[in-house]
Amino acid sequence: ETGVTQTPRHLVMGMTNKKSLKCEQHLGHNAMYWYKQSAKKPLELMFVYNFKEQTENNSVPSRFSPECPNSSHLFLHLHTLQPEDSALYLCASSQDFAGGNEQFFGPGTRLTVL
Amino acid sequence: GNSVTQMEGPVTLSEEAFLTINCTYTATGYPSLFWYVQYPGEGLQLLLKATKADDKGSNKGFEATYRKETTSFHLEKGSVQVSDSAVYFCALSDQGGSEKLVFGKGTKLTVNP
Repeated sequence: ETGVTQTPRHLVMGMTNKKSLKCEQHLGHNAMYWYKQSAKKPLELMFVYNFKEQTENNSVPSRFSPECPNSSHLFLHLHTLQPEDSALYLCASSQDFAGGNEQFFGPGTRLTVL
Repeated sequence: GNSVTQMEGPVTLSEEAFLTINCTYTATGYPSLFWYVQYPGEGLQLLLKATKADDKGSNKGFEATYRKETTSFHLEKGSVQVSDSAVYFCALSDQGGSEKLVFGKGTKLTVNP
């Protein structure tokens, strides 16, 4: 595997379910990110981790819970979601936080909440 | 705060037409500027970037010049192909080292044969 991978690619869940999204980067990067991409809205940064430490929580509801066990893996745990949480969830990584650094994105998980 | 405004889409062109997608920004300091592209069913990929004023980023025939005087970073390509059909995002990051990328809303481009 190369680059940034995300599983599953598609997920349908009910509002009472608990599920997790997984992201893995094979680039040796130190920073990882979760974004939410909804139709007709700019990409929303949700969480940022640097060297496994969370450095940003962009006012995300507590029904989204991130976990970063090491610099290569990032999870997003989901519980009691709402239909408006349906979106494409993108994971990204970068070498570090220096200005001008490129972020590398995974293909995303298309989440549908019924 | 920092923000990015890019032209509303969708944009539909015929193959070999000239492309311009406008992007302007508001930022404190000296941000780095990026264009990302998202092909159908995929994540975003960096297309090009510029880290200081008057820099020109270029890749795959696309170009954009960092214009500090007009706070702009317009994307251009002289002759588009069907394979360029995608959503294009303009973005900035704080040159001071912030990890935050601020994105525009995206512009969908469709190129017809």
